[in-house]
Amino acid sequence: EAGVTQFPSHSVIEKGQTVTLRCDPISGHDNLYWYRRVMGKEIKFLLHFVKESKQDESGMPNNRFLAERTGGTYSTLKVQPAELEDSGVYFCASSQSTGQYFGPGTRLTVT
Amino acid sequence: DQQVKQNSPSLSVQEGRISILNCDYTNSMFDYFLWYKKYPAEGPTFLISISSIKDKNEDGRFTVFLNKSAKHLSLHIVPSQPGDSAVYFCAATTWYNFNKFYFGSGTKLNVKP
Repeated sequence: EAGVTQFPSHSVIEKGQTVTLRCDPISGHDNLYWYRRVMGKEIKFLLHFVKESKQDESGMPNNRFLAERTGGTYSTLKVQPAELEDSGVYFCASSQSTGQYFGPGTRLTVT
Repeated sequence: DQQVKQNSPSLSVQEGRISILNCDYTNSMFDYFLWYKKYPAEGPTFLISISSIKDKNEDGRFTVFLNKSAKHLSLHIVPSQPGDSAVYFCAATTWYNFNKFYFGSGTKLNVKP
């Protein structure tokens, strides 16, 4: 069974540019989560989808971040325009019931 | 405001000895706790968990202890092996929003051969 995959693994963009991160959850998992870890700090919850619906987006930093999960399969997280403080590792996780399975993350560097 | 804290960024232990990783939390509503292990360039993977109705849970070499009155939990690894070298994250959640995990900042464990 394939795990959670994320693309790209790394992204380096300039301040003001747009970046879109993609997450493919484990097949059949209705729950999909986005997290972010800024250098050396805690892994912070961003939001939670149940199928295509946003169940909890309380962790989204501001309106420069837009997450979508059309069709309830893969999800994208767009940052527009990117700021320096958006740099970090963005993790996606999925679950069916209990237990969240994490992807390898996308390392975003904003210069 | 960080509700789960891991105050030791790193820990170095000799192979065969015990590793003790600590975690403190501030929110008394947390009632389920997890430890995740992360290798470089990989995502965190679930290691062990404990419910607040217990004070200890054991799985092979890994034991988690929970002290609710002190809002403190610890992960014991006995005996430690070089393959245990990784970053360990403590996480907590509540029964009423089980899908939202609060993580600590991690402790990097180095087990020396």
